[in-house]
Amino acid sequence: QKEVEQNSGPLSVPEGAIASLNCTYSDRGSQSFFWYRQYSGKSPELIMFIYSNGDKEDGRFTAQLNKASQYVSLLIRDSQPSDSATYLCAVSNSGGYQKVTFGTGTKLQVIP
Amino acid sequence: DVKVTQSSRYLVKRTGEKVFLECVQDMDHENMFWYRQDPGLGLRLIYFSYDVKMKEKGDIPEGYSVSREKKERFSLILESASTNQTSMYLCASSDFFTGISTDTQYFGPGTRLTVL
Repeated sequence: QKEVEQNSGPLSVPEGAIASLNCTYSDRGSQSFFWYRQYSGKSPELIMFIYSNGDKEDGRFTAQLNKASQYVSLLIRDSQPSDSATYLCAVSNSGGYQKVTFGTGTKLQVIP
Repeated sequence: DVKVTQSSRYLVKRTGEKVFLECVQDMDHENMFWYRQDPGLGLRLIYFSYDVKMKEKGDIPEGYSVSREKKERFSLILESASTNQTSMYLCASSDFFTGISTDTQYFGPGTRLTVL
């Protein structure tokens, strides 16, 4: 079982719709959870991080964390073609040193 | 503004050559990382360093070594390049973990290495 799992996609949504990206993780001791966006040919950039169960909103982005289910998601409201990218979920165990494990990413396509 | 730079965007080397990839960060970060990224395999940690002259193996250290002589600079060395080391190499840095740190990693632009 992979430590951090994501559906590779592509996930296609029409412009203006809500895109829902999901991620599960295996280590129950995980402390911090991150969503990175990676455009084709570019390096990952942080969108959001979340520590606590529940929702965290930042503009059009909402991260949701459920530690009991070992599940973290990213919602993108009013999706734009510029949101088309690969979204990487990352999980940190924060145990002594910063061990961050990345998922393989979900490719999102926003159709104009 | 946070900045991580890598010495080359594209690099072509021959099998058996010694290859140096350089990474520099200007954020005074304690931690630095080297990853490789391959289609379908995601980001895989090669080595990381949490202090000058300190290094720790990541998940795939075989065939690689690293050097961190100064806080801002972290080098990845391929002692004898092989074709299976053709990949995108990404450097990242982060601040020292304080217990409330975001653990956010800031990535450089990447080096696409091709070994012929």
